[in-house]
Amino acid sequence: ETGVTQSPTHLIKTRGQQVTLRCSSQSGHNTVSWYQQALGQGPQFIFQYYREEENGRGNFPPRFSGLQFPNYSSELNVNALELDDSALYLCASSAGQVLYNEQFFGPGTRLTVL
Amino acid sequence: SQQGEEDPQALSIQEGENATMNCSYKTSINNLQWYRQNSGRGLVHLILIRSNEREKHSGRLRVTLDTSKKSSSLLITASRAADTASYFCATDARNTGFQKLVFGTGTRLLVSP
Repeated sequence: ETGVTQSPTHLIKTRGQQVTLRCSSQSGHNTVSWYQQALGQGPQFIFQYYREEENGRGNFPPRFSGLQFPNYSSELNVNALELDDSALYLCASSAGQVLYNEQFFGPGTRLTVL
Repeated sequence: SQQGEEDPQALSIQEGENATMNCSYKTSINNLQWYRQNSGRGLVHLILIRSNEREKHSGRLRVTLDTSKKSSSLLITASRAADTASYFCATDARNTGFQKLVFGTGTRLLVSP
C-alpha cells in the first residue's frame, strides 16, 4: 500500500457526460500526476500539479482538466466523454520537484464510457 | 506516445527460473524506473536507477542501465508465482521542467508453479 487513494474504484458513464475522479496524495507529498492507461498499454501522462498549480501537461485535449487543493489532494475532470476515454486512470504523488523522486501510485479508477 | 519499448511483450517461465525483461527508450533521461502492475491495478514501484548508475540491486531484482544504447534490463531471479504481473519501465526525460514519467508498453510475465 502506497498511501495514495483514489475514488471511485469503478465508474460507468455515457458519451457526452462529464466525470470527476479524485485522488488523495501520500502524506507529505505536494505533487500529484495523473495518467491514463488504456487496455493493454502503458500509462500516458495527462498532467501534473505542484502546490495547486498545473506545471506540466501531456498530449490531452482541454476537456481534460484538473485541480489540486491546499491539502494536496487532486481532482481530474473530463468533459464531453468519448468512447476512447474508457481506461484506467491513475494518480501518483511525489515529494516536490526533485527529479529523482519516486512517484507513488494509487490503485486507479476504472472508467467505462458507453 | 510511448517513449519506451519493452521486450519481450510476454514471457512465460516456471517457478525458480530467472526472468529478464528489456526496455529501450529514445531520449536522454535523468533516471529510469521499473514498475509492476497486477491485473490492471495500481503500479508498484520496484527500483529507480539514475542516469549515472550502471547497475542496481534490490532483493531478487537486478537492473542495468546502458545510456549509450538507451536501454535497460530487469532481471528477476528465482521467480515465484507471485511475480506474475505486467512490468513497465518508465523514463524521466531531461529538460522538461517537471517530472513526467514516460512508460513503455510493458512485458506480461507469467510464472507457473
